[in-house]
Amino acid sequence: AQTVTQSQPEMSVQEAETVTLSCTYDTSESDYYLFWYKQPPSRQMILVIRQEAYKQQNATENRFSVNFQKAAKSFSLKISDSQLGDAAMYFCAYRETGNKLVFGAGTILRVKS
Amino acid sequence: DTEVTQTPKHLVMGMTNKKSLKCEQHMGHRAMYWYKQKAKKPPELMFVYSYEKLSINESVPSRFSPECPNSSLLNLHLHALQPEDSALYLCASSQAITQETQYFGPGTRLLVL
Repeated sequence: AQTVTQSQPEMSVQEAETVTLSCTYDTSESDYYLFWYKQPPSRQMILVIRQEAYKQQNATENRFSVNFQKAAKSFSLKISDSQLGDAAMYFCAYRETGNKLVFGAGTILRVKS
Repeated sequence: DTEVTQTPKHLVMGMTNKKSLKCEQHMGHRAMYWYKQKAKKPPELMFVYSYEKLSINESVPSRFSPECPNSSLLNLHLHALQPEDSALYLCASSQAITQETQYFGPGTRLLVL
């Protein structure tokens, strides 16, 4: 089974600064999808960004971008110009066959004003 | 519109009660999912429905009984639960089981006494 590892249980960033959350995964597949989801205290899981493994270009959504290193099986999330509303638990996820999502343990992001 | 709704938001039940959780989406999605999430942990997949048929059951105890009466609605019937079943129950949907992006509802917080 595929595994997803998030090695940072907690991270802090100053408002307006940049922070990078790390994620590594293990798979023998060549074509797959990776995701970052955000879960604020309101509990709702919100899709932040997704990456298709066959695409070389790193995905970007406004202030959120990823650094996808396929050979290294690394999928980090960069948040630029951090805002107070970015404070949340962030989950990295890998899509298995049958559209099953395998999640990492999560990283709690705190934003300081 | 990427809205998935769940009712109720909160539920308290005794171990002998029977209750149901409801999930609804009107995005025309044909795949729907139930996840269980314990505090500070990632979601764990329970069931996957594809075109109203059960596609994946992650060895969930029979005290949890899913039902998909139509393409927009997913229920989770609860009976004789244990206190360790207390958790956040998340519903998600995607266009199809082969379509990678899952959209989550806000969840139902369940407490079993």
